[in-house]
Amino acid sequence: SQKIEQNSEALNIQEGKTATLTCNYTNYSPAYLQWYRQDPGRGPVFLLLIRENEKEKRKERLKVTFDTTLKQSLFHITASQPADSATYLCALGKTSYDKVIFGPGTSLSVIP
Amino acid sequence: GAGVSQTPSNKVTEKGKYVELRCDPISGHTALYWYRQSLGQGPEFLIYFQGTGAADDSGLPNDRFFAVRPEGSVSTLKIQRTERGDSAVYLCASSRGTSGRTDTQYFGPGTRLTVL
Repeated sequence: SQKIEQNSEALNIQEGKTATLTCNYTNYSPAYLQWYRQDPGRGPVFLLLIRENEKEKRKERLKVTFDTTLKQSLFHITASQPADSATYLCALGKTSYDKVIFGPGTSLSVIP
Repeated sequence: GAGVSQTPSNKVTEKGKYVELRCDPISGHTALYWYRQSLGQGPEFLIYFQGTGAADDSGLPNDRFFAVRPEGSVSTLKIQRTERGDSAVYLCASSRGTSGRTDTQYFGPGTRLTVL
């Protein structure tokens, strides 16, 4: 069955550095991949969507890459700030009619 | 504008009881989703509505779970004969529904269900 893995350990980085989170998947061929942010006690908030024919996408300080050969997406936050501290979830979908499957998430802490 | 709201925010019940969880989506959103999230895990899909009908209920774990959306707006997730394993945060999301499931989903804050 399909499996999605994200950084197994929580990520702690210094303010101002670039945070890089990984999302790896197996037994799946997604047509698109999404990244969400989730704060404690709240629902996920959509950040970015990248399609299989796109290598990279940017939005302000965020950058997402999607490598269908490696079956991996990387999520970068440049010039990280303490306010970026949250759990980040990747989610994969095959078509606009199929359900989205979420990974377990990675907890990021940005230390001042 | 108003986002997705869910009530109650917390629900504690006893094993075997019946519970109803409510979701008010963003006005005008035709698509509505229910997910379940356990601690340390991502949301797990339960059911997807397009309008009043359940377009995909393949994520419902068993027949104790049922959801309705009679007027294409508010939805209720119903759980019969609750079990301790049902304890989780139940999330609702809505989207415009114009591009299928690739539309941006807007999530509510969730209902934390605890079955004692």
